[in-house]
Amino acid sequence: GIQVEQSPPDLILQEGANSTLRCNFSDSVNNLQWFHQNPWGQLINLFYIPSGTKQNGRLSATTVATERYSLLYISSSQTTDSGVYFCAANTGGFKTIFGAGTRLFVKA
Amino acid sequence: DTGVSQDPRHKITKRGQNVTFRCDPISEHNRLYWYRQTLGQGPEFLTYFQNEAQLEKSRLLSDRFSAERPKGSFSTLEIQRTEQGDSAMYLCASSGQRGEKLFFGSGTQLSVL
Repeated sequence: GIQVEQSPPDLILQEGANSTLRCNFSDSVNNLQWFHQNPWGQLINLFYIPSGTKQNGRLSATTVATERYSLLYISSSQTTDSGVYFCAANTGGFKTIFGAGTRLFVKA
Repeated sequence: DTGVSQDPRHKITKRGQNVTFRCDPISEHNRLYWYRQTLGQGPEFLTYFQNEAQLEKSRLLSDRFSAERPKGSFSTLEIQRTEQGDSAMYLCASSGQRGEKLFFGSGTQLSVL
C-alpha cells in the first residue's frame, strides 16, 4: 500500500516565525488531506488538496501530485498552532493512510 | 450539524472485560470510518461502512473486534476480552456522498489495566 512520510518529525518555533512541513507519498493519490490534532486529541481537517494550492488565513498548502509531495506552510505562528500535524493520502479506495505526523511546539 | 460525536470520551477497563464504543456521524454523511491511534503515531485504519454495509476491514481488526452500523446511522465498535495492547485512542470519522473530506470525532481513549 501507499507509504506516507512526514518531515520534520519535531519542530520548535518562536511565536511569529514561519515554517514549512513536508509530506511525501509513494503512489499516485486520489486525495490528500492535512489535519491538526490539538493537545486534547481532536483532529481538525485543515485542507483537502489533491493538487494545487489553497490558503486559509495564515495557513496554506500546496500539493504537487506529479512529484508526490505536499507542503503545509504556517506563517506568523501562534502558540495555539501547537499540536501535531498529519497528512493523509487516499489512492481511490476506502482507506485514507496517515503519516506519523510533525509535532509542533510554538514558544511564546 | 453538531459534528461527529463519540461516547464515552474515556474508558478504563480491566483485562478480559468487554467494551463498546459509540459513534454518531454527521447526519447527512453515509460513509463512516473507525481508526485507532497509539501514542506518537498517526491514526491507523480499522474499518469502513457505507450506509449499513461494512465494506472493508483492516488486518488490525482481530476476531475480538466487531463493528456494526444498524440502519446506516450510528455505529458501535465492540472489543471482547480486552488486552493491554488494545489501549489506544479509538477515532471515528465520517464523510459525505463523494467520500472526500474526513471529519473526526473527539475519540474514545481506552485504557486496559
